[in-house]
Formats: sequence, structure tokens, C-alpha cells
Amino acid sequence: AQSVTQPDIHITVSEGASLELRCNYSYGATPYLFWYVQSPGQGLQLLLKYFSGDTLVQGIKGFEAEFKRSQSSFNLRKPSVHWSDAAEYFCAVGASGTYKYIFGTGTRLKVLA
Amino acid sequence: KAGVTQTPRYLIKTRGQQVTLSCSPISGHRSVSWYQQTPGQGLQFLFEYFSETQRNKGNFPGRFSGRQFSNSRSEMNVSTLELGDSALYLCASRGGTGPQETQYFGPGTRLLVL
Repeated sequence: AQSVTQPDIHITVSEGASLELRCNYSYGATPYLFWYVQSPGQGLQLLLKYFSGDTLVQGIKGFEAEFKRSQSSFNLRKPSVHWSDAAEYFCAVGASGTYKYIFGTGTRLKVLA
Repeated sequence: KAGVTQTPRYLIKTRGQQVTLSCSPISGHRSVSWYQQTPGQGLQFLFEYFSETQRNKGNFPGRFSGRQFSNSRSEMNVSTLELGDSALYLCASRGGTGPQETQYFGPGTRLLVL
């Protein structure tokens, strides 16, 4: 069955510290992978996506993610977190031509000043 | 280019009523998907429309329906509302092909059923 797991429900980091949010997926075909961010009361904003090619993808707001097929993971990283990064982050998996994206349960990030 | 717009942004209904939510995709996008987001169930796919045809459907009861118009605008309807239908309903518009395919989300309609 297709699924996405985000093992960390909440993460708290200090401003300026590095960040890694974990995402593991189970998908029969070659997946398209996405990270979205959601601020309170808002919709989802696309941070980055992986379709093929270079396994390290760069996104907006200084985020990057690395696709590791052997580990079925697509972890999101940022070298230095800003207070404005506090939000909920969702990993999603899909396939070309079908937009039934499967989302993880999200990781809520808190940033300490 | 304007983003995905959803109306209304907030809605309060009572049990048994019906509701219609509207979504206008990004200009040029022909695919519109709908998702329900709740604290307990997270983000769940409702359905996807492409060129006025429903292409994919999630695991929701028949009370949830949708349609898409020739200008790609989409509506979803929930009949006989239940308390558990209280949620943020997100619309997403898809554009591009292959590696350029991307799904963009609107701000959502927050529905409260009393």
C-alpha cells in the first residue's frame, strides 16, 4: 500500500540551528516527492519537489531535500532555521499523471528565539 | 499570474444542510483536486477533475461530490452535513507536464458544522 510516514509530530529547534525533518514513503512505482509548508490558517506552499535526476534538490526559503531510494526517504533540511520557519511541514508522494497525492501526517516545527 | 482562489474562506453550517465550495485554478491549469484536512485524519484526497471529467476519487461517501466547468473552475458539494465534515477544504490546481508537473494549493475554505 502507498503511504508516507513522518515520524516526528513535533520538532523544536533554536533559531540559527540546523534542521532535518524526516519522511519515509512506500510506493510501488518511481515516486514523485514533494515537501509543502503550511502556516496557521493557510493553504499549502510548495517548498520543493523531486521527479528524477539529481537526488539533492534545492527549494525555496533555503530548504533542500535528499532522495535516498535505498532508504525510501526524502528528508528535508535547512542549515540555519529562522523564526519565520515555524509552521507545519508535509511530505507527499505521487505519480505522474495522477494527482491523488498521499500526504504524511505532518511535522509541526517550533522555533525558539 | 494569480494563484488558486477559493470561496468562501469561512463557512458555518448546521447538520443536515448542504454546502457548495468554489475553486478557481491558476490560469491555464486544467486539473483541479480537492482535499479535506482535519486534525485527526490529516490531508485526505477527495477527487480530481480534468477537463470537466472526474479522473480520480478518494474514499469518501457519496455525499461529497464535485464538478468542473469548461473554464476549469470547480465546485464541490457536501450534502446532509455531519459534524465530522468540519474541516479545512483545500483545492489544488495542477500545471505542467513531466518534471514540470506541480500542484499548487489554494488557501482553503474552513467549514464548521454545528
